[in-house]
Amino acid sequence: AQSVTQPDIHITVSEGASLELRCNYSYGATPYLFWYVQSPGQGLQLLLKYFSGDTLVQGIKGFEAEFKRSQSSFNLRKPSVHWSDAAEYFCAVGAAGYALNFGKGTSLLVTP
Amino acid sequence: DAGVIQSPRHEVTEMGQEVTLRCKPISGHNSLFWYRQTMMRGLELLIYFNNNVPIDDSGMPEDRFSAKMPNASFSTLKIQPSEPRDSAVYFCASTIQRDTQYFGPGTRLTVL
Repeated sequence: AQSVTQPDIHITVSEGASLELRCNYSYGATPYLFWYVQSPGQGLQLLLKYFSGDTLVQGIKGFEAEFKRSQSSFNLRKPSVHWSDAAEYFCAVGAAGYALNFGKGTSLLVTP
Repeated sequence: DAGVIQSPRHEVTEMGQEVTLRCKPISGHNSLFWYRQTMMRGLELLIYFNNNVPIDDSGMPEDRFSAKMPNASFSTLKIQPSEPRDSAVYFCASTIQRDTQYFGPGTRLTVL
């Protein structure tokens, strides 16, 4: 069965500091992996996705993620966080065109 | 291009009333998904359609919930009768097969 674990419920980082959000997945086949961001009261916006190929994927807003099959991980990173990055971040796994399984989300707080 | 459109954005109703949520997918997309987001359960799939046909409705909580997609540009999610535990944010998402799901802004439902 598919599942996604985001171990960190809340993360606080200082503005300008680097960020890494963790995501571990369980999937029987080659996974399609996604990171979405949700600002308060808003829908989900795609940050980046991995279907195949280069395991380091670049997304919008300066985010990147690395697929590591051996660790069943797809961690999200950003070298320098901005106050506007404060939001809820969701990792998801599934076959493209089919329903996604989402993690519980990580809430990011950015301090001055 | 317009994104996924959902209406209403907010709905407050009393227990026992019928609630209908509406979704217009992105033009040309052939798969549509209904998700529900709660604090306790996170984001969970309710049902999805492919080419207007329901493919997986295993996430529909019970017979009080029903969903239809009469044509490629419109879908409804109906709750009858509604209960306080149905209070949540309901998201609609659409995709072209084998591509990213794009989410609408959601409908925040409150059942008193």
